[in-house]
Amino acid sequence: NAGVTQTPKFRILKIGQSMTLQCTQDMNHNYMYWYRQDPGMGLKLIYYSVGAGITDKGEVPNGYNVSRSTTEDFPLRLELAAPSQTSVYFCASSYGPGLAASYEQYFGPGTRLTVT
Amino acid sequence: KNQVEQSPQSLIILEGKNCTLQCNYTVSPFSNLRWYKQDTGRGPVSLTIMTFSENTKSNGRYTATLDADTKQSSLHITASQLSDSASYICVVSAGNTDKLIFGTGTRLQVFP
Repeated sequence: NAGVTQTPKFRILKIGQSMTLQCTQDMNHNYMYWYRQDPGMGLKLIYYSVGAGITDKGEVPNGYNVSRSTTEDFPLRLELAAPSQTSVYFCASSYGPGLAASYEQYFGPGTRLTVT
Repeated sequence: KNQVEQSPQSLIILEGKNCTLQCNYTVSPFSNLRWYKQDTGRGPVSLTIMTFSENTKSNGRYTATLDADTKQSSLHITASQLSDSASYICVVSAGNTDKLIFGTGTRLQVFP
């Protein structure tokens, strides 16, 4: 199993551009998450999904959109990129609710995004 | 406000030495506490997950403790290795929300 894969690894965007961060998992997990990690800060939840066709906002959803058309894929869309979106983005997945102790979250390697 | 605070922010030790990382939280109601290891340029990897009823949990040379009364946890690393150089993140889940609350991490560097 490849686990959770993310593309691209690095990206530089100009202000106002758009892009999609890709996330795929091959563990047949129901739950998927997008986090951002800013320097010196803890991870913040952007969006999450409890299954195909179902998504919900996390703590910091503004400026982002997601979709979940399949169990495996959970892309994150940035519209009109802003410097405040410069961050490292992590996708994660779990079989059951990430809050529950019996369900571990597995993280991808991250995408480092710079908006200038 | 639900918060997770970790100390120290950074730590340097020599290979073979032991060390202890601290985590204090103000999350309520408490559901479980996790420790993650994050290598530079990689995603976090779970080390331990502890519920309210667990005081100690080990994963190889990593031992986590939890005191739910004082809302404190520690991660003890025994006989450190160069590969232990990483950030260690404490994460607490609240029983009534849909999110995990992440600490800012302790950056550990192990030198030969």
